[in-house]
Amino acid sequence: GAGVSQSPSNKVTEKGKDVELRCDPISGHTALYWYRQRLGQGLEFLIYFQGNSAPDKSGLPSDRFSAERTGESVSTLTIQRTQQEDSAVYLCASSLGSNQPQHFGDGTRLSIL
Amino acid sequence: AQSVTQPDIHITVSEGASLELRCNYSYGATPYLFWYVQSPGQGLQLLLKYFSGDTLVQGIKGFEAEFKRSQSSFNLRKPSVHWSDAAEYFCAGFGNQGGKLIFGQGTELSVKP
Repeated sequence: GAGVSQSPSNKVTEKGKDVELRCDPISGHTALYWYRQRLGQGLEFLIYFQGNSAPDKSGLPSDRFSAERTGESVSTLTIQRTQQEDSAVYLCASSLGSNQPQHFGDGTRLSIL
Repeated sequence: AQSVTQPDIHITVSEGASLELRCNYSYGATPYLFWYVQSPGQGLQLLLKYFSGDTLVQGIKGFEAEFKRSQSSFNLRKPSVHWSDAAEYFCAGFGNQGGKLIFGQGTELSVKP
């Protein structure tokens, strides 16, 4: 497709379970970002990949959160031992470079019971 | 610290009326600034961007924004609002190193018939 694709669109899981969220960036985009949007709030930066450079993990809220990216393609965000405060929409974005406009997917709505 | 502030949480305008959404930024150097729109259950769509040059930038859907360094502002405007413009609007920016976007808290726009 032409845009950023995220899956699943919705995920409901029990507290304590691990979840994996997927992001397919726009083809040719070297930069990929993950953000979290809690209900009624703005977007919080989580992690940023740029080409083969070490990712900027400065926004990850705890060591339960991790992300990987294979080359300049798919990225997965993993949350281990989920907690109720992890409930949010997780948005992925990609861009041609680090100082170019970011294009967003529709997000994954994560609900922790 | 770098920050983006949207003073108005919720604005209601009548259809056909003009619109101005406020955004203030705090950056040491000239930032790269963006406005995004988010409809319910959707990701963020880029409306317009300011990188440098002409301080009045045109975007999609009839929106424009003006960068005013003296006021540290980047307000979004539209001369005549349509009911379909009802959505959440986010101002965001990054410094000249690029990378992660810093978002305002968002302004929810309601349009009265």
